[in-house]
This record gives sequence, structure tokens and C-alpha cells, in this order.
Amino acid sequence: QVQLQESGPGLVRPSGTLSLTCAVSDGSISSSDWWTWVRHAPGKGLEWIGEIYHSGRTNYNPSLKSRVSMSVDNSKNQFSLKLNSVTAADTAVYFCAGVGPKGWFDPWGQGTLVTVSS
Amino acid sequence: DIQMTQSPSSLSASVGDRVTITCRASQSITGYLNWYQQKPGKAPKLLIYAVSGLQSGVPSRFSGSGSGTDFTLTISSLQPEDFATYSCQQSYSTPYTFGQGTKLEIK
Repeated sequence: QVQLQESGPGLVRPSGTLSLTCAVSDGSISSSDWWTWVRHAPGKGLEWIGEIYHSGRTNYNPSLKSRVSMSVDNSKNQFSLKLNSVTAADTAVYFCAGVGPKGWFDPWGQGTLVTVSS
Repeated sequence: DIQMTQSPSSLSASVGDRVTITCRASQSITGYLNWYQQKPGKAPKLLIYAVSGLQSGVPSRFSGSGSGTDFTLTISSLQPEDFATYSCQQSYSTPYTFGQGTKLEIK
């Protein structure tokens, strides 16, 4: 099964841009049609951020749509997340995951904590 | 957005107990319901997909059922490694949404 690994800065300044990459290993990024980002803020439930097709087509959560963008780099076997104009409310553990045929999420990366603070 | 409501929000049980967690959707999601287990500091782990499909490697003491708006996750005989937080997720329509989680603790 493919393995996923998130990477990116663990600290982002308020009003800045959060940028994360998810590297796909032990397999091809083409092994799944869709890839997704999910976050888990302290004391809250899991929140779906959006998904990207291997061709680059995207679906975003309307609650974040104005601030989020995703991209895929098939040559590097990775996909990325950008979230701009961040505030403390964006502090969370960010996960990348594959999307199954009926929308379940598997496999998952280990997650990366992003803190928004000055 | 489809709202997912889990009950209870927390639960204390003993090893060997049978446990049931409920998830209710704000509208019909047919068979697009998935369950995850999450332990502190770890990524969620897919347990059950499409209501009742047992993910590879997941023990058979885990089972799922339901349809329409009401779904359940059952653990037939709790083991020490099962104490964790369980979340349901609807994949019927975007934005995909999760329940708030049920924390299963040792009694």
C-alpha cells in the first residue's frame, strides 16, 4: 500500500500562507483518482478541507474555498495544499489521505502540526 | 452541508464489553458512511467503509450497520487496544463531513 508523508513549516504567522506537501511513496500517485486534505483542530472534530484529482481538478470545502488551493505534481508523486490569510483558528494537525471509490479516506499520512502564531 | 451527529460523545466501558456507537445524518446518505478510529497523536484509521465493509486488517469484532440516516458501529468484545476516539464520516456529498467523535474510555 502507498505511504503518505506530509511536510511543511510547523509555524506560520497570522495573515500568512500555510503551505504543505504530501509525498506519495511505495506506489504511484495514480493509484488513487482523488487525494484529500483533512485537519484536526484542538478540541474539535475532523474537518475536510478539500480534494484533488490526479488531473488537477479540485473540490474545496465552501467554508475555506476563498482561502484554499491544491495542486498535484505527478512527476514528483506529490500533491500540495495552500491556505492563505491564516489565523489562530487554522492551528491544527493537517493530514493528507487517499480517497477510496465511495469517498472513504485511506491511507493517511501521519499528520503535521501547524501552529499559527506571531 | 450534511450534519453528522454521534452519540454518545463519550463512553466508559470495560474490557470484554459490547459497545455500540450511533451516528445520525441530517439527511439520507444511503450507503456512504465510514468509520474511523483515532488514538492520541496518530492519524485516523479506517475501520469500516460503505456502512459495513470491514477494512483489511481490522479485527472482526468491529462491525457496522444502518442505512438512510441512522448508522451504528459495534465492537463485540472490547480489547485494551480499542480505547480510542471513533468518528463517522459521510461521503455522500461534498463537503464531506465528520461526526464530532466518541471517546471510548476504560471504566
